[in-house]
Amino acid sequence: QVQLQESGPGLVKPSDTLSLTCAVSGYSISSSDWWGWIRQAPGKGLEWIGYTSYSGRTHYSASFKSRVTMSPDTSRNQFSLELRSVTAVDTAVYYCAKKQDGNSAFDLWGQGTMVTVSS
Amino acid sequence: QSALTQPASVSGSPGQSITISCTGTSSDVGRYEYVSWYQQHPGKAPKLIIYDVTSRPSGVSNRFSGSKSGNTASLAISGLQAEDEADYFCISYANGHSWVFGGGTQLTVL
Repeated sequence: QVQLQESGPGLVKPSDTLSLTCAVSGYSISSSDWWGWIRQAPGKGLEWIGYTSYSGRTHYSASFKSRVTMSPDTSRNQFSLELRSVTAVDTAVYYCAKKQDGNSAFDLWGQGTMVTVSS
Repeated sequence: QSALTQPASVSGSPGQSITISCTGTSSDVGRYEYVSWYQQHPGKAPKLIIYDVTSRPSGVSNRFSGSKSGNTASLAISGLQAEDEADYFCISYANGHSWVFGGGTQLTVL
């Protein structure tokens, strides 16, 4: 059974870097798929942050491009998100998800992890 | 404010059919055949139920179907069952290699 599981600090200070990891089990990230991050702030809609391939190719949302980095770690079969210079508006549930290449299917999602930005 | 507009809630009785709309613009839903739909029960991960407007992943009930007309995509659920009660949201590809989301629709099975 394929599973994605997010992990990382639940509390981050303003101006710091938010770092999350998504561990993938039951499926190799060294595939043709894309491995990405989506978030949902309290009371707001879902927002695409971006995704990475296993080789490190990335596509980022224009809204985050200047302060985001996503990286694969094929040796650990996981991928990561770094979001720099966070503020309170970055408080959200962060989901990792797998998207199939060449279509619109975000076919596997993690349960999501809540990250609060506060001093 | 989500990029794609969905009704906040819909309801139906067991056995009935319902439709959920997802309205975008000519830069996303209207331009690309890349709309997908997801079901999310409280506290659970979203589940893909429709992709590329009309395609259904293996294992998803054929009671779920998708369509599109102009800037509006739609998800239809026939033969409503109690377990269909959940939140549903849409995603569309948009200009500039981006993905935009609907605000979500809460389905209540009466």
